[in-house]
Amino acid sequence: GAGVSQSPSNKVTEKGKDVELRCDPISGHTALYWYRQSLGQGLEFLIYFQGNSAPDKSGLPSDRFSAERTGGSVSTLTIQRTQQEDSAVYLCASRLAGRSQDTQYFGPGTRLTVL
Amino acid sequence: AQSVSQHNHHVILSEAASLELGCNYSYGGTVNLFWYVQYPGQHLQLLLKYFSGDPLVKGIKGFEAEFIKSKFSFNLRKPSVQWSDTAEYFCAVNEGQAGTALIFGKGTTLSVSS
Repeated sequence: GAGVSQSPSNKVTEKGKDVELRCDPISGHTALYWYRQSLGQGLEFLIYFQGNSAPDKSGLPSDRFSAERTGGSVSTLTIQRTQQEDSAVYLCASRLAGRSQDTQYFGPGTRLTVL
Repeated sequence: AQSVSQHNHHVILSEAASLELGCNYSYGGTVNLFWYVQYPGQHLQLLLKYFSGDPLVKGIKGFEAEFIKSKFSFNLRKPSVQWSDTAEYFCAVNEGQAGTALIFGKGTTLSVSS
């Protein structure tokens, strides 16, 4: 079956611009996570969705970052007024949910470069 | 707050050498433990996981890991590495309840020479 997909695979933007990153989870997976992978910081959690609600947004680094999920499926991560320190690979993961012992499956990521 | 420590930043081995990558975590409650691998140019893939039961878990490609609760450790092992094992390896933990995010170690880069 299809895995987690993300688009675009690469995004180059200028400082100050807004960007939107998209994640399509595995069909039927109700839990969705966003992480960020950057040099020096490793993999950091950003936000978790259960269905369309986000019970844990504790990892969002600033109010320039927001995310939404619609129809319990696709999620969009938006970064406003991008800064150079936002450059990273943004990873999405989905999980079947309903049980604590479920695995998170990761997508290929979106590499964001802010010039 | 939880944290995960991976002791080795970069490991260099020859083919057929044995591998052990260390991982320690700091949470005192029930945890789920994972090793993920990221091959060059590819996305994160699950190597193995521990939820409960037998503390010695076996994963794909001949990897195994042992959960030692008293040491808060979940070390990854492979008796004989291959060139194709060259990758970055991440240990991750989450709390034993639904929905919690994974806390990752910084990763260990494994380079295997043929």
